[in-house]
Amino acid sequence: KAGVTQTPRYLIKTRGQQVTLSCSPISGHRSVSWYQQTPGQGLQFLFEYFSETQRNKGNFPGRFSGRQFSNSRSEMNVSTLELGDSALYLCASSNGGTDTQYFGPGTRLTVL
Amino acid sequence: GQQVMQIPQYQHVQEGEDFTTYCNSSTTLSNIQWYKQRPGGHPVFLIQLVKSGEVKKQKRLTFQFGEAKKNSSLHITATQTTDVGTYFCAGQRYSSASKIIFGSGTRLSIRP
Repeated sequence: KAGVTQTPRYLIKTRGQQVTLSCSPISGHRSVSWYQQTPGQGLQFLFEYFSETQRNKGNFPGRFSGRQFSNSRSEMNVSTLELGDSALYLCASSNGGTDTQYFGPGTRLTVL
Repeated sequence: GQQVMQIPQYQHVQEGEDFTTYCNSSTTLSNIQWYKQRPGGHPVFLIQLVKSGEVKKQKRLTFQFGEAKKNSSLHITATQTTDVGTYFCAGQRYSSASKIIFGSGTRLSIRP
């Protein structure tokens, strides 16, 4: 099976702009989770989508949103970018529940 | 809220020495997973522990889940340079639909 893919791999934006990141899960996986990884904060959970519904949510401001499509592909949107949003954004797919999280390569976002 | 603490934050060892990282949860977990992230890479699943007191081995790696299902450890015997990376534990509370919380990770570096 093909692995989790994320696009784009690298992105440079300026403060105030918005950005949309995309994640294609492993075929057959219905759960997609998003994480923000920064050197100082480790892996922070953003949200999880399962069968097009947000099932879990982390402690991020409303500027961070996401959605999942019927084919399980997921997008994450960040509006009004701040310098502190610079990070590696990882998505992970699983069959749901206690199954293994398969991570994609991530999108490295730099906000100038 | 649920927290998963991991210590130490960094560990620098001589090649051939042993290494241990510890994971502690503020709440009882239904399962715990361990992941490894190589420098510049993304987290890769290593193992999942589900039962109280469970011990699993993968070659030089030994994983334990505490009797109270609130703590876990990963022990590497006779480290090799290929073990370099950051090791994360990830705990899941209650049901299979609850979110997975990652520990802050332990970065392992090795002197050849």
